[in-house]
Amino acid sequence: EPEVTQTPSHQVTQMGQEVILRCVPISNHLYFYWYRQILGQKVEFLVSFYNNEISEKSEIFDDQFSVERPDGSNFTLKIRSTKLEDSAMYFCASSARLGSEQYFGPGTRLTVT
Amino acid sequence: TQLLEQSPQFLSIQEGENLTVYCNSSSVFSSLQWYRQEPGEGPVLLVTVVTGGEVKKLKRLTFQFGDARKDSSLHITAAQTGDTGLYLCAGDPGTASKLTFGTGTRLQVTL
Repeated sequence: EPEVTQTPSHQVTQMGQEVILRCVPISNHLYFYWYRQILGQKVEFLVSFYNNEISEKSEIFDDQFSVERPDGSNFTLKIRSTKLEDSAMYFCASSARLGSEQYFGPGTRLTVT
Repeated sequence: TQLLEQSPQFLSIQEGENLTVYCNSSSVFSSLQWYRQEPGEGPVLLVTVVTGGEVKKLKRLTFQFGDARKDSSLHITAAQTGDTGLYLCAGDPGTASKLTFGTGTRLQVTL
């Protein structure tokens, strides 16, 4: 069964460093998303992406964040200058069309020290 | 801001018991998805409900979408230890491309 994959599974970085989280969505899906989950809290929407541009972003998704689909398979989330409060699980998701089921990857645990 | 409240937050039951988890909002959703999440892993989709009043069954799990599409419930019959996990509801407002997640219900089923 097709699934969303994410790398790395765990990323440790120092405050102020840039990180890139990678995702490979399900191959025939057109909509891509990033969510995050701070330990013990709700899953929160960050950004959605369609047709090579951002469809919607939350208040969390400020200028430090960017997304890109550099080729036909990868979807990346970049955090330019990480802060301690960026420590969280980051989940990538994809869906075939707007409003259809979203399938989530296993997540990347980002730890900022 | 759309909010989804789940109740109860925690539920500890013995194997064989029945349980119901509720997901409530003051907002209308075009669809609602139920996920199960294990520690350190991503949410795994269980079901999507779309039509008001819809009932879907997945083996021992029964999902219902409220008539007004503001609330949903998950009923588990004869719970098993393998049902242990975090159950999340997530609503799609239909006009946006994001899911709003509920607060979660952590279920523990013991022998």
